[in-house]
Order: sequence, then C-alpha cells, then structure tokens
Amino acid sequence: TQLLEQSPQFLSIQEGENLTVYCNSSSVFSSLQWYRQEPGEGPVLLVTVVTGGEVKKLKRLTFQFGDARKDSSLHITAAQPGDTGLYLCAPTEAGANNLFFGTGTRLTVIP
Amino acid sequence: DTGVSQDPRHKITKRGQNVTFRCDPISEHNRLYWYRQTLGQGPEFLTYFQNEAQLEKSRLLSDRFSAERPKGSFSTLEIQRTEQGDSAMYLCASSLGTLEQYFGPGTRLTVT
Repeated sequence: TQLLEQSPQFLSIQEGENLTVYCNSSSVFSSLQWYRQEPGEGPVLLVTVVTGGEVKKLKRLTFQFGDARKDSSLHITAAQPGDTGLYLCAPTEAGANNLFFGTGTRLTVIP
Repeated sequence: DTGVSQDPRHKITKRGQNVTFRCDPISEHNRLYWYRQTLGQGPEFLTYFQNEAQLEKSRLLSDRFSAERPKGSFSTLEIQRTEQGDSAMYLCASSLGTLEQYFGPGTRLTVT
C-alpha cells in the first residue's frame, strides 16, 4: 500500500511571495503528475515528470522529481491570486493503471 | 476541442434511490476512469475501462455500484440504493494509452 504525504496541508501567503510544496513517499514511482483543482471543479493536469532529477518549468511554476523518484516538489515564484487552489500530486507505480492521489496542499494567495 | 464532460453537475437524491451519471471522454481517448472525492481528500480510484472492457475495479466499488462503457465511448456510473455515505464528487477522467489523465468537472452527489 502506498503512503503518500503532501506538505504543507494548508498554505496562506501574500501575493508576490514564493512558496514550495512537497510530495513524499517511501515508494519508487515510474512517473508523477501534478494537478491543480479549484472548488467544485475537476483536477487540471499541470505537468508529468518521469526521469529522476527531472526539472520542468511552467511559467512561474517549477516542478522537480527527486533523484530516487520517491518525491517531488512544486515551487511557485511570485504567487498570484489565480494560483489559489488545491495542488495534488499523483504518482504512478510501474504497471499501475490508475492514479493514486495525495490529500493535497490547499494554497490561498491573498491579494 | 472539447474536454471531458460530465452530466449532471449536481444531483440531490433521497437515501435509497438509484442515480446514474454520465461521462463523455475526449473523443480519441481509449481509456476512461471513475474516481470519487470526498471533502478534504484527494480523488480515489473506482474503476477503469480500456475501450469497452472494464479492466480494473477498486474495493471501494461495492455491489451497489456499476459502471458501463458499452461502445467504448461514453460511460455511465450507476449507484443503487444510495446511502448518505455515497455523498461525494464523482470524477471521470480519460487518457490515450498513457497515464496523463484529463478530468471532467465532476458530478456532485448529495444523498439526503
């Protein structure tokens, strides 16, 4: 059984600040996806990382996959109110067909 | 280009009633997934189809739940004899042979 931890669980920051959220597990993953979800809506795919140590950038968002493929981080530079939402990581193990989600980090960016 | 659509967006039903939800995936996607999400939690996997074949079911999918994808396109999820514990957001996702899943807006079910 996977044990997946996302931290922090809640984060409230001022517009313009930087932040990092984490996704950790004791399992090795074949890939990992990050999603953002707004209230009452489905998760929206942000990025997929596959290779250990991989870094991907999406405008002000930087995603990193750990060297051992057991963890990942999401860094947001100069956060904006539009970044507010629930950030979910969803790793997959080799041979698995479904995603396994963490409980997410709920981010609030205050104007 | 349309994404994944789900209908209805909201459903309120009385305990004991049956409900059915529909999901229309992205047209060229061969895989379709159902998830359930309760307040404060991430989505939990329920079941998955590749084309019309239901290939995997979670232990969460009790006997009261049934899902179909008769022509390998849209899918339905039926819950019989609903219980208050079934209240949740039901999410559908689709993918094209990879694990990059694209989600619909969900159906919010409230059982009173």
